[in-house]
Amino acid sequence: NAGVMQNPRHLVRRRGQEARLRCSPMKGHSHVYWYRQLPEEGLKFMVYLQKENIIDESGMPKERFSAEFPKEGPSILRIQQVVRGDSAAYFCASSPGLAGNNEQFFGPGTRLTVL
Amino acid sequence: GNSVTQMEGPVTLSEEAFLTINCTYTATGYPSLFWYVQYPGEGLQLLLKATKADDKGSNKGFEATYRKETTSFHLEKGSVQVSDSAVYFCALSPYNQGGKLIFGQGTELSVKP
Repeated sequence: NAGVMQNPRHLVRRRGQEARLRCSPMKGHSHVYWYRQLPEEGLKFMVYLQKENIIDESGMPKERFSAEFPKEGPSILRIQQVVRGDSAAYFCASSPGLAGNNEQFFGPGTRLTVL
Repeated sequence: GNSVTQMEGPVTLSEEAFLTINCTYTATGYPSLFWYVQYPGEGLQLLLKATKADDKGSNKGFEATYRKETTSFHLEKGSVQVSDSAVYFCALSPYNQGGKLIFGQGTELSVKP
């Protein structure tokens, strides 16, 4: 059973470009979470999605950031017009979403560098 | 609000030494508590968890007890190994908020032979 997959593992963008980060949850998992880890800091919650629905986006910056989890395919975190401050590691986690079992399994992360 | 505070690192120990990493939390209601470990260049792995007061989570020789009265979840291991070198994150999942995790800032552990 493959774990959570993220790609690309490393992404370099110039200021003003768009970044698209993809996350494929574990088989059978219908809940996806995105977290951002800035240098020397812990992970910060960004958004929680279920298939075709955004459940909690309280940690998402108000502008330039968006996320989706379509019925088919991976979850996408999209950052428009990137700035240097967006440089960070972005981690995706998935869970089965079953009552009493909310354990999250993390992917290896995408390390975004903005030049 | 919800928050987690961990002791600052880096922590450097000799092999077979006793490890304690302190973690305290602030939360409304009854959160679940977790310790995650991150090895260099990798994602986080769940190390142990506790879902209610006085529960003890344990795994691979690591232990932590959910102390509601002191709002703490300190991580301990009796004898560390070089392979335990990693960054350790304490986290909480607020009650009834969909399972999102609130993390501490992480504590880097370095174990020397």
